Amino acid sequence: GIQVEQSPPDLILQEGANSTLRCNFSDSVNNLQWFHQNPWGQLINLFYIPSGTKQNGRLSATTVATERYSLLYISSSQTTDSGVYFCARRDTGNQFYFGTGTSLTVIP
Amino acid sequence: DVKVTQSSRYLVKRTGEKVFLECVQDMDHENMFWYRQDPGLGLRLIYFSYDVKMKEKGDIPEGYSVSREKKERFSLILESASTNQTSMYLCASSRTTGSNQPQHFGDGTRLSIL
Repeated sequence: GIQVEQSPPDLILQEGANSTLRCNFSDSVNNLQWFHQNPWGQLINLFYIPSGTKQNGRLSATTVATERYSLLYISSSQTTDSGVYFCARRDTGNQFYFGTGTSLTVIP
Repeated sequence: DVKVTQSSRYLVKRTGEKVFLECVQDMDHENMFWYRQDPGLGLRLIYFSYDVKMKEKGDIPEGYSVSREKKERFSLILESASTNQTSMYLCASSRTTGSNQPQHFGDGTRLSIL
C-alpha cells in the first residue's frame, strides 16, 4: 500500500519559535491534506494542498508533488499550536492514507 | 461548513456487548470512513463506504462491521466488544467526484471496553 512517513515524530518548541514538519510519500501525490488534532482529540482540516504553496495566518504548506513530499511551516508558534499534526493522501480508490503524525508541544 | 456528527464523545461498554457507533454528515457526501486511533499507530482505516449499502474493508476490519442504509449515516458495529477495541474512533466523509476532494472529520468517540 501507499506509505506515508512524517518527521520528526516529536517536537518541543519554545513559544515564538518557528518549525517545519515534513511528510514523505511512496508514490505520486494527487490529493494531500494536513490536519491538526488538538489535545481534545478533534481533527481540524488545515490545508488541502496537492501541489504548490498555501498560507493561512501563521501556517503555510508546500507540496512538491514531483519529489513526493510536503512541508508544513508553523511560524511564531503559540501554546495553542500544541497537538498532533497529520498528513494524509488519497488514492484513486477514495481511500485515505495517514502518516503516524508529529506530536508538537509548545511551551511558554 | 461541512458537519460530521458522531453520536457520542465518550462511551463505556462491557466485554461481550454489541456496540453501535453512529456518524451522520450533512453535505450529501458519497464517501464515509471509520478509523481508529491508537497511540503510536496513527489513524488506521477500519471500513469505508462509497455509496449507500456499499462497503469496503480497510486495514483492520476484524471484529467490526458497518451499515450504510442511508447516504448521510454510517454506523460502525462491534459485534462482541473486547478490551483491545478500547480506542478513539473517528468518522469522516468526502465527495467522490474527482480525486481532489478533502476529507472532513467528526469530533471522535472515545470508547472504553471494560
